Amino acid sequence: SSELTQDPAVSVALGQTVRITCQGDSLRSYYASWYQQKPGQAPIFVIDGKNNRPSGIPERFSGSSSGNTASLTISGAQAEDEADYYCNSRDSSGNYVLFGGGTKLTVL
Amino acid sequence: QVQLQQSGPGLMKPSQTLSLTCAISGDSVSSNSAAWSWIRQSPSRGLEWLGRTYYRSKWYNDYAVSVKSRITINADTSKNHFSLQLKSVTPDDTAMYYCAREVIAVTTPFDYWGQGALVTVSS
Repeated sequence: SSELTQDPAVSVALGQTVRITCQGDSLRSYYASWYQQKPGQAPIFVIDGKNNRPSGIPERFSGSSSGNTASLTISGAQAEDEADYYCNSRDSSGNYVLFGGGTKLTVL
Repeated sequence: QVQLQQSGPGLMKPSQTLSLTCAISGDSVSSNSAAWSWIRQSPSRGLEWLGRTYYRSKWYNDYAVSVKSRITINADTSKNHFSLQLKSVTPDDTAMYYCAREVIAVTTPFDYWGQGALVTVSS
C-alpha cells in the first residue's frame, strides 16, 4: 500500500483526551511514528509505535497500534499541543517512506 | 545532541539543478544505526520523502519513485554531511526542504530534523 490516511482536523477541549489516528495497510507490518509541527517550524518527533518518546516530550503523549491503524493519544491536552500532527511509516515493501496527510489539532 | 544544519540557495529558475547540503553534528554520516534522508513539504504535496543514503559496509541509496530519475543523494565523510541534488526543477518542486535522521531499529522514526530550506522555483 502507498497511503497513510489521517483525519484532516480534530478538536479537543482543554484538559480532555484526544486520539488522532492513521490508517494504512503497511501499518500491519511496520510501526508508525508521530510528529508535531507548529507554524513556521520543522516537524518534531513525539512518539513511535512502541510508545517510545524522545526526551522533552511530555508523558501525556502516547502511541499505540492495532491492525491497520496507528493512534496518537494526548491525555489532558494543553493549549501548547495545538499543532499539525503527522504519522509516518514504511510502505509495504519496507524500502520507502510514507507520510500521512496530517491532522490539524485545535484545543478549545 | 544531534544537530542538522542545512544550507543551499532559495530561489531557482526552471530547468536548473537544486543543490542542498545537510551538515551533521553529534553523529556520523557513516553510522550503522541511522539513515540520512531528504524530505520536502508543500501545501499541494504535504510531507514527501525524497530519498535516503546510508552506510552498511558500503553506501546505499533509496529514492522515491516520484523523483527517482532526477535525484542524487551523496554523503561526504570528510565533512560529515550529505547532500541533495535534484535536476531539471519545475515550479512543482517549490517546497520547504528538510534533511532528517532516520533511526534504523524496530521502529524507524525521523528523530532529528534540519531547520528547513525554502526553495522557490520561478522564472
